[in-house]
Amino acid sequence: DAKTTQPNSMESNEEEPVHLPCNHSTISGTDYIHWYRQLPSQGPEYVIHGLTSNVNNRMASLAIAEDRKSSTLILHRATLRDAAVYYCILTGTGANNLFFGTGTRLTVIP
Amino acid sequence: EPEVTQTPSHQVTQMGQEVILRCVPISNHLYFYWYRQILGQKVEFLVSFYNNEISEKSEIFDDQFSVERPDGSNFTLKIRSTKLEDSAMYFCASRATSGAYNEQFFGPGTRLTVL
Repeated sequence: DAKTTQPNSMESNEEEPVHLPCNHSTISGTDYIHWYRQLPSQGPEYVIHGLTSNVNNRMASLAIAEDRKSSTLILHRATLRDAAVYYCILTGTGANNLFFGTGTRLTVIP
Repeated sequence: EPEVTQTPSHQVTQMGQEVILRCVPISNHLYFYWYRQILGQKVEFLVSFYNNEISEKSEIFDDQFSVERPDGSNFTLKIRSTKLEDSAMYFCASRATSGAYNEQFFGPGTRLTVL
């Protein structure tokens, strides 16, 4: 499975934008980039995904580099509820399973 | 909004006992998964299930583990003879269709404590 690299932790002030980076230099042409997050004491939760183009949904935005070797999850205004571990995961054609790394632990400061 | 449910929320068992963890995936979803997370560690894939058979399993999913979809709604994980190292959070997930673009929906988890 293609690997991703994320910083172990990041901090953000409440109501500030947050940019969570992910490197995936070995991504293949058919791999999708997924982001999940895990709030404290909860199961993982889907955030967003993309293939080549930038994506927006109600939770976040996903900016994908032109060469697709990196991506950035953008939370436009961090809230205390966004404090979680964020995982960047690649899924390939026919791949059913999610392989979680250690993710980035986001701390939101009031 | 539809959600994946899991029971029990917490299971305590003695080493060597059998446990069954239950999950009700989202209705009309076709793909089902079990993951586990040992305290303080990352989420690990155990097994995927489609069309009433295992699609893929990890090295963790040895002969002590089995999965079943006994009826149209439940999806179960059985551990035949629990070990101390089986203590973990177990998450069930489901997905609507195939395709790498489809997201998985996770349940709240069952905390298994083996004494």
